[in-house]
Amino acid sequence: DTGVSQDPRHKITKRGQNVTFRCDPISEHNRLYWYRQTLGQGPEFLTYFQNEAQLEKSRLLSDRFSAERPKGSFSTLEIQRTEQGDSAMYLCASSSPWGRQETQYFGPGTRLLVL
Amino acid sequence: GQQLNQSPQSMFIQEGEDVSMNCTSSSIFNTWLWYKQDPGEGPVLLIALYKAGELTSNGRLTAQFGITRKDSFLNISASIPSDVGIYFCAGPPNSNSGYALNFGKGTSLLVTP
Repeated sequence: DTGVSQDPRHKITKRGQNVTFRCDPISEHNRLYWYRQTLGQGPEFLTYFQNEAQLEKSRLLSDRFSAERPKGSFSTLEIQRTEQGDSAMYLCASSSPWGRQETQYFGPGTRLLVL
Repeated sequence: GQQLNQSPQSMFIQEGEDVSMNCTSSSIFNTWLWYKQDPGEGPVLLIALYKAGELTSNGRLTAQFGITRKDSFLNISASIPSDVGIYFCAGPPNSNSGYALNFGKGTSLLVTP
């Protein structure tokens, strides 16, 4: 069990560019969550997957954001036409089907800076 | 989502002191989670509470799930410099069927040697 991993850890991009982040959950965890965290705030829920199905999206997930989990293992989060307001830490978490699903384990995050 | 209110916002203490922080909500929660976050890292789970009234310890940390299900507290005994960080409470609101967590804004802890 190597924990949740995220790649890249840091990304700097120019406004208008597209970016993609990857999350590898703890192996055999069937639920995967994406959160966004801005400075001075707690993480805010974006979306989650159970296996490959995306079951819930928050209102924070604008149409420029898309997330996938094609084989029910790793997930990607893409932001198209980035804006300066997208600058934040993007966190991924996973939870086990054999434990309490609300007990989520987080990765180290991807810090995005949009110039 | 429902707001979680954490207090205090920040604490500045000396090594060896005990620390207490709490979290309240206007709605009922069925689970309370406490996380610690270091700068530039993701939150690390410290303690999970699943039952009203439950008191759980993890080393020098103790957390309790309030009887009303609308609050929780976290105590740290005999603080050490590596306790420095931001402590978050979190939970899925009772009305949430998808287990998406709501987080408080955190309590920032500074410990001086």
